[in-house]
Amino acid sequence: DIQMTQSPASLSASLGETVTIECLASEDIYDILAWYQQKPGKSPQLLIYDASSLHTGVPSRFSGSGSGTQYSLKINSLQPEDFASYYCQNGLSALWTFGGGTKLELK
Amino acid sequence: QVQLKESGPGLVQPSQTLSLTCTVSGFSLTSYNVHWVRQPTGKGLEWMGVIWTGGSTDYNSALKSRLSISRDTSKSQVFLKMNSLQTEDIATYYCARSGSPGYYFDYWGQGVMVTVSS
Repeated sequence: DIQMTQSPASLSASLGETVTIECLASEDIYDILAWYQQKPGKSPQLLIYDASSLHTGVPSRFSGSGSGTQYSLKINSLQPEDFASYYCQNGLSALWTFGGGTKLELK
Repeated sequence: QVQLKESGPGLVQPSQTLSLTCTVSGFSLTSYNVHWVRQPTGKGLEWMGVIWTGGSTDYNSALKSRLSISRDTSKSQVFLKMNSLQTEDIATYYCARSGSPGYYFDYWGQGVMVTVSS
């Protein structure tokens, strides 16, 4: 199975800051990568798919990039509602795996 | 309006079988795949398995021996059954859909918390 290593596990940032979360796959996943946001007590919500395509309704301050085995999620100008947990997910060859998650906290 | 809703007992005895139902609306099970994903409290997400639009299934290799996913398209319901439950199976269980083709989960249910205890 493909392993997804996400970093950092936790991140402290201030309102208005820009942060980047990384996801490293154990092999080439050909941009078959999605990012989700999860708030406490809620189900995950899709942010980005195909590594860089923004899901409908997601603010443009969220962006995804990367290729091969290395991918990242960037959040520009952090807003109060952005403090949550984030997960990457790959779906290559119908073997879905998630990264371990990144908890973004307000500094 | 697309909706998925999980239901089932919140408490299962050790070594017993968990049975959950995901009732969907706003789309057809023959057009979208439905997955089960679980999350222990305070931990990350684990993909469990999928039932494809054609009715076939795939499972996480770590759970394959204990897990079964099926559906009733006439009732728009997907079922999860997992046997030999232990305390490490305590988690919130979600159903989510992906497109066909597609791999990402664009709609999720609200989740159902399952505890394993005697």
